[in-house]
Amino acid sequence: GENVEQHPSTLSVQEGDSAVIKCTYSDSASNYFPWYKQELGKRPQLIIDIRSNVGEKKDQRIAVTLNKTAKHFSLHITETQPEDSAVYFCAALRTDSWGKLQFGAGTQVVVTP
Amino acid sequence: GAGVSQSPSNKVTEKGKDVELRCDPISGHTALYWYRQSLGQGLEFLIYFQGNSAPDKSGLPSDRFSAERTGGSVSTLTIQRTQQEDSAVYLCASRPLARYEQYFGPGTRLTVT
Repeated sequence: GENVEQHPSTLSVQEGDSAVIKCTYSDSASNYFPWYKQELGKRPQLIIDIRSNVGEKKDQRIAVTLNKTAKHFSLHITETQPEDSAVYFCAALRTDSWGKLQFGAGTQVVVTP
Repeated sequence: GAGVSQSPSNKVTEKGKDVELRCDPISGHTALYWYRQSLGQGLEFLIYFQGNSAPDKSGLPSDRFSAERTGGSVSTLTIQRTQQEDSAVYLCASRPLARYEQYFGPGTRLTVT
């Protein structure tokens, strides 16, 4: 089955700097890659996703890039703000099976003012 | 519109007791998922319902865990003879037909004493 690895496990950044989280996946048939943000005590919320027919997607200060050949994808947060502090999870899915998302272990991001 | 809801929000039970956790998905969503999140950990898939198809139970950790979904809507996750290692946040998510995005509920925090 699919295996998703996520790095780093913790990330501390100064407000205004950029943050990058990287994930690798094992199943080359995976073709949908969402990112979720989970604030302390809250539910995971989808913040951005990318499909395998696209190499990059941006939404304001966040962007996701996908390298299908290398089987890795990354989340980029620019101009970080304290409210970006949260745990971020990547995930992978092969849509032909409409099955379960395989999640990475999560990255704790702390943005210090 | 209303999001995914779960009840109770918190449940404390004694070891050996049975518990039932409830999930109300977003109206019209055909797929429903249960995940478990232990303290500081990622999301562990438990079970997946899609329409009237047989559920994917491949993530259930033992035969003490079961789930049902009545009328294609509300789902109940039952844990029999609870153990201390069952303590976790149990998250439910739903997904609309022919789309990939999953929307999470707030979770039920289960504590087994």
